[in-house]
Parts: sequence; C-alpha cells; structure tokens
Amino acid sequence: GQSLEQPSEVTAVEGAIVQINCTYQTSGFYGLSWYQQHDGGAPTFLSYNALDGLEETGRFSSFLSRSDSYGYLLLQELQMKDSASYFCAVRDRKGNKLTFGGGTRVLVKP
Amino acid sequence: SQTIHQWPATLVQPVGSPLSLECTVEGTSNPNLYWYRQAAGRGLQLLFYSVGIGQISSEVPQNLSASRPQDRQFILSSKKLLLSDSGFYLCAWSTRSWENTFGSGTRLTVV
Repeated sequence: GQSLEQPSEVTAVEGAIVQINCTYQTSGFYGLSWYQQHDGGAPTFLSYNALDGLEETGRFSSFLSRSDSYGYLLLQELQMKDSASYFCAVRDRKGNKLTFGGGTRVLVKP
Repeated sequence: SQTIHQWPATLVQPVGSPLSLECTVEGTSNPNLYWYRQAAGRGLQLLFYSVGIGQISSEVPQNLSASRPQDRQFILSSKKLLLSDSGFYLCAWSTRSWENTFGSGTRLTVV
C-alpha cells in the first residue's frame, strides 16, 4: 500500500518562503505530484517529479529525493492568493492512479 | 481544449434515497476517469477509477458503485444513501496519470 505524511498547517506572512514536506511509504514508486486546492474549489495540478532534484515553475518549486522517500514543495514570494491546501500524491506501480496525502493548509497573513 | 463537466454542484438527499452523479469529459479520447471523495478538511480518497468503457476498479468497499457507459462519461451511483456518504465528490480525468484534471465537484449532504 501507499501512505504519505505532510504537516497539517503552516502559517507565514506575505513575501515569505514556505516549504511543505512530504514523506512517503510505497510498495512501488513512480513519481510525486503536488496539487493546490482553494477552499470550496477543486484541486489543480502544480508539479510532478519522477527523478531526484528540483523542478522550478515560477514562484513554486518541487524537490524529490527517492533514496530518502521524501519531497517538498517550496512556495516563494508568498502572496495572499497562495492561501490554500496543498497535497502531495504518489503514482501506483501500474501508473493508473494516485494516492494523496492528507494535505497542508497554508495561511498567508498580511 | 479539454473540459470536464460535473453536476450537480450541491445536493441534499435523505438517508435511504438513491444517488446518481454524472461526469463527462470533452476534447480527449480514452481518458482514465476517477471518482474521489473528500471529507471536510481532509485529503482525497480514491473511490473508483476506469481505464476504459465498462472497466471499473473499486478502491474502497462501500455503499457506492460506478459505471462507464461511454468513453467520456463516468457515473457514480448508490441505491440507498447513508449519512456517512456525505462529502465533496470529485470527478477527474487523466491521460498522464500523475496529472489529474478535476471537475468542479458535487457537495453532497445526506440528511
């Protein structure tokens, strides 16, 4: 089976940097995805890491270490609109489905 | 471009009543389709997924069922709703399994 752990909540001020960690235990690992979900809305895809290293997309970056079964999402130059829940997810061995973590609620204060 | 339609947006149903939620996808062929449920303040729980017409995989034993009568149509059903079926139901599609695209969701309250 698959299990993922991420912190439940993080609070930061505008302009700051936030790192959301995700550790996972899987029977077969093929990659780590990140999603953003605003209150009342649907999740939207942010990034995907299949190989070790850092992937940068604008203000958001995602990192993966397969040997440590660990990844993180880095949110830079925080804006009020970044207040949302962020989920990590792993692909299963067959590659047909994702298992999601419980989510990290990020609250950005002025 | 691809779009996903999910309806209704909100639904209030009495215990013991049936349920049918529909999801359709446009602009893509042979997508993988998914039904998730999300309890308030929690993560997404995969309920069913389908890799093709008539092919349904169930992830969690429960009071629900799913069907895929057409390539781009996915239906979530129940014969008799329970209070515990309340939640936010999300349909999603993918052609690359790490990138699910979600519908706008249905907030179901069973009373």
